[in-house]
Amino acid sequence: EVQLVESGGGLVQPGGSLRLSCAASGFTYNNYWMHWVRQVPGKGLVWVSHIHNDGSVTSYADSVKGRFTISRDNAKNTLYLQMDSLRAEDAALYYCARGGRGWGLDLWGQGTLVTVSS
Amino acid sequence: QTVVTQEPSFSVSPGGTVTLTCGLRSGSVSTSHSVSWYRQTPGQAPRTLIYSTNGRSSGVPDRFSGSILGNKAALTITGAQADDESDYYCMVYMGSGIWVFGGGTKLTVL
Repeated sequence: EVQLVESGGGLVQPGGSLRLSCAASGFTYNNYWMHWVRQVPGKGLVWVSHIHNDGSVTSYADSVKGRFTISRDNAKNTLYLQMDSLRAEDAALYYCARGGRGWGLDLWGQGTLVTVSS
Repeated sequence: QTVVTQEPSFSVSPGGTVTLTCGLRSGSVSTSHSVSWYRQTPGQAPRTLIYSTNGRSSGVPDRFSGSILGNKAALTITGAQADDESDYYCMVYMGSGIWVFGGGTKLTVL
């Protein structure tokens, strides 16, 4: 089955760190760009970060630049998001998504919830 | 900061046609922005509808179509059904590895 499964979410204090993972299966993972998208429950989608299929190129939304790091392990078919210096406004459901045709996203995970609170 | 605009809400009658739009607060949307469209129901992950302005994602019925109308991207739904009631998001590729979502449109079918 073609799927993405996120994990690693949880409760963290402001200023703390968390690493999210996204396990891919059912497709040739190293052929695809990958993205992270977040959503505060009840609010809209926000693009966070992307990485090229070989990991050579990454990009970030201004709101997370310098604090978040996207990476991937193609041998493990896994995408990561290292989140440092977390703020209350980073609390959200984090989705990983596969980059599809025409710069869009064509496959989504179910998300992992990050809560930032003291 | 790039702002992508969408109608906050829209309603359509069952069987009717509705066009949702996706614009830029500053500037025009064109095919070079490779706009994609997603729909999301509460508690579910988004589902991809349209890529690259007008490409229909696998399994998406042809009731859904994408286009450029004037200076905005558009998602048109024909023959609206009750289960089309969802939140619809556009995503715009701004270049240089930056993507931006619109705020979403809540579509009501009634």
